[in-house]
Amino acid sequence: SQQGEEDPQALSIQEGENATMNCSYKTSINNLQWYRQNSGRGLVHLILIRSNEREKHSGRLRVTLDTSKKSSSLLITASRAADTASYFCATDAGTGNQFYFGTGTSLTVIP
Amino acid sequence: NAGVTQTPKFRVLKTGQSMTLLCAQDMNHEYMYWYRQDPGMGLRLIHYSVGEGTTAKGEVPDGYNVSRLKKQNFLLGLESAAPSQTSVYFCASSYSVWGGRIFGPGTRLTVL
Repeated sequence: SQQGEEDPQALSIQEGENATMNCSYKTSINNLQWYRQNSGRGLVHLILIRSNEREKHSGRLRVTLDTSKKSSSLLITASRAADTASYFCATDAGTGNQFYFGTGTSLTVIP
Repeated sequence: NAGVTQTPKFRVLKTGQSMTLLCAQDMNHEYMYWYRQDPGMGLRLIHYSVGEGTTAKGEVPDGYNVSRLKKQNFLLGLESAAPSQTSVYFCASSYSVWGGRIFGPGTRLTVL
């Protein structure tokens, strides 16, 4: 399966700290996407990084991609209670039509 | 813009019953998708569509059928529901095949 695997499965931090979660995948990709899901809601697209990019920023989010290690990381800086959610990575299998989602990292930010 | 909407939000079926889940998007997206989300399994693609009148199978298509008669709508049908189809179903759409997916709020389906 192409499915990405997020690590850790769960993460609990204090408000103001940085949160880092990782995603590993198995085969070559064209791009990798990160999503957030609040409890009981649909997923929200956060950021997309292409295979020829190594780092991308969006507000307090920083995503890195290492295609040689087939891994990506999502860093949320200065976390807030509102960042409490599950975070998923999604990778394509070359065709684009099918993006494979991991099982997610559950982030809890304690006020 | 409403984005992606799903109907119904909740449903309880008995084994063997049928139902249709409706997804609608108002963003003029060509691509639409149906996923199911189960604990510990992440999201898995059931079927998808690359344009009006087209459908294709995803990772877990068995037991489901879909139709895309209008560009803005994507219907997911369960002909004979089974307890294994108890899940949360998400519809999504995207402007391009490589782009981020816009997700609906989900339908929680329980099959008894």
